[in-house]
Amino acid sequence: SSELTQDPAVSVALGQTVRITCQGDSLRTYYASWYQQKPGQAPILVIYGRNNRPSGIPDRFSGSSSGNTASLTITGAQAEDEADYYCNSRDSSGNHLVFGGGTKLTVL
Amino acid sequence: QLQLQESGSGLVKPSQTLSLTCAVSGGSISSGGYSWSWIRQPPGKGLEWIGYIYHSGSTYYNPSLKSRVTISVDRSKNQFSLKLSSVTAADTAVYYCASVRINDAFDIWGQGTMVTVSS
Repeated sequence: SSELTQDPAVSVALGQTVRITCQGDSLRTYYASWYQQKPGQAPILVIYGRNNRPSGIPDRFSGSSSGNTASLTITGAQAEDEADYYCNSRDSSGNHLVFGGGTKLTVL
Repeated sequence: QLQLQESGSGLVKPSQTLSLTCAVSGGSISSGGYSWSWIRQPPGKGLEWIGYIYHSGSTYYNPSLKSRVTISVDRSKNQFSLKLSSVTAADTAVYYCASVRINDAFDIWGQGTMVTVSS
């Protein structure tokens, strides 16, 4: 079992806003990063740190954190945003990295 | 622009050692502030962090794999490697290499290489 917990599946209507969450005690201390993975492709980083987007990531992707929960918000979801999303951070010991179980996002 | 490319055997027999290499291009593997990591993904499942090596040479491994894993750097070839010993079918997965720079984020990923453990 992972030290970071994600909902297995979330859906959103086209153009609406969706929040994907990641829970874990270590998130009270460390930032979460977020990755998008489409079938047959390697993951890509979409959010890191407090709320930073790598070059090329649309500004409809944003990150936030409160207590033991980190969130990835997609404002105005597009069809191309349908993918699996993973969070990662350090574990409770602080010495190792860990991934959440992933959330499958469906855009209706 | 940094690029990573995995290579190695796609088929490994049970109990043998899995060996993969990640070639780094567009930058130096000795650059300060980088660490180099391996991640795997079994078919139809989620991502699992295997371990990483800092530019200093220090290594950190997933506790569940620590007894079987070695990650090393070859600076002369600008590449880093993964060795996983005593493999079983449970080690069948797509293996990715990735760089880590800021806030423990895997910012650049290789395309991934499928490794099957089977006799």
